[in-house]
Amino acid sequence: DGGITQSPKYLFRKEGQNVTLSCEQNLNHDAMYWYRQDPGQGLRLIYYSQIVNDFQKGDIAEGYSVSREKKESFPLTVTSAQKNPTAFYLCASTGQGRETQYFGPGTRLLVL
Amino acid sequence: SQQGEEDPQALSIQEGENATMNCSYKTSINNLQWYRQNSGRGLVHLILIRSNEREKHSGRLRVTLDTSKKSSSLLITASRAADTASYFCATDADTGTASKLTFGTGTRLQVTL
Repeated sequence: DGGITQSPKYLFRKEGQNVTLSCEQNLNHDAMYWYRQDPGQGLRLIYYSQIVNDFQKGDIAEGYSVSREKKESFPLTVTSAQKNPTAFYLCASTGQGRETQYFGPGTRLLVL
Repeated sequence: SQQGEEDPQALSIQEGENATMNCSYKTSINNLQWYRQNSGRGLVHLILIRSNEREKHSGRLRVTLDTSKKSSSLLITASRAADTASYFCATDADTGTASKLTFGTGTRLQVTL
């Protein structure tokens, strides 16, 4: 899992509630990513950030928001607008060579 | 959208046998990567092959790339029970400053003793 930490490991969301997933890296990587993985599926890109204070939407950004105030941190907020949030969320980062991605251990989000 | 389709979706073999999984993609790429995921965990990078390469080896792993057919294969030789995991191909088609990967649907490999 490299130098990327995600917390919490499990997260429960109530209807209408916003929740924030944490992602921190100590690899000095510039680019960071958020993916969603549904059971038996591959990863789909939610948001990514190439540098501090800049981020771009991925393929499934609706209902999610991010911030990148520090190089080490890229938190993801799952808003109440995301109607089907139950999934496994993975954070990743890329270093200077910008090709290989390093992944955190993931956060599993469940809806109560 | 997912660019890659992997085949087979699931594969069960005995320890010591070879495992082959295939990946097809739709658009031109800069490189193709293979990742491994143990159940409920993050992904781990295995190997990267560039668009101008045809074959690459790393330990018990052998990857081939056929850009004319837009396909790749991953061969794991002399498999072990510890190889049990899901394997994903990912394509990098972006020429921008950040690696932006598109993942396939994965192959679930089960290696039995």
